[in-house]
Amino acid sequence: GQQLNQSPQSMFIQEGEDVSMNCTSSSIFNTWLWYKQEPGEGPVLLIALYKAGELTSNGRLTAQFGITRKDSFLNISASIPSDVGIYFCAGPVASGSRLTFGEGTQLTVNP
Amino acid sequence: DAGVTQSPTHLIKTRGQQVTLRCSPISGHKSVSWYQQVLGQGPQFIFQYYEKEERGRGNFPDRFSARQFPNYSSELNVNALLLGDSALYLCASSFLPAGASNEQFFGPGTRLTVL
Repeated sequence: GQQLNQSPQSMFIQEGEDVSMNCTSSSIFNTWLWYKQEPGEGPVLLIALYKAGELTSNGRLTAQFGITRKDSFLNISASIPSDVGIYFCAGPVASGSRLTFGEGTQLTVNP
Repeated sequence: DAGVTQSPTHLIKTRGQQVTLRCSPISGHKSVSWYQQVLGQGPQFIFQYYEKEERGRGNFPDRFSARQFPNYSSELNVNALLLGDSALYLCASSFLPAGASNEQFFGPGTRLTVL
């Protein structure tokens, strides 16, 4: 099946630093979704991307839909302790009835 | 506005038992999807329902079944529980079937432990 590869697997940063993570696939996606999951919670949708080359922001978060449609990037500027969590990329498989998720990037922010 | 709600929040069962998990979607949403999340991994798709019909099924055994009710709430049933069924079970709702709008909103999940 289609797989999404996220990198890095984990990040340890200092408060105030910027963060970049990415998601790649061997298949083309028409939509890229970025979710954040905190312990004991379900994933929360952060940003949805629908067009190749699209750059979308949500506060300090910015995500881009790669031109090749096989990758996406998420940047967090000026990180704060509440940014801690696991960030997942996701996209619909060809049939459109399901989302496939990456393995996640675990972000730790040291105050 | 209430988000996606799931019950129970935690559940402990023994091997061979059966379990029923419940989900209420966001008001106005007609599509519900179920995902299984094993520790350390991303969610894996189990089922999607739209307007009470199954619209998709993931690679899970027949021990897993689901249904959607006229009020769009949904139940996930798992029979003959195995230790490997221990996971966080997530429900997601969307206004349209995922093929039309891929934005799915997740509930807090039900943590199932099988002993």
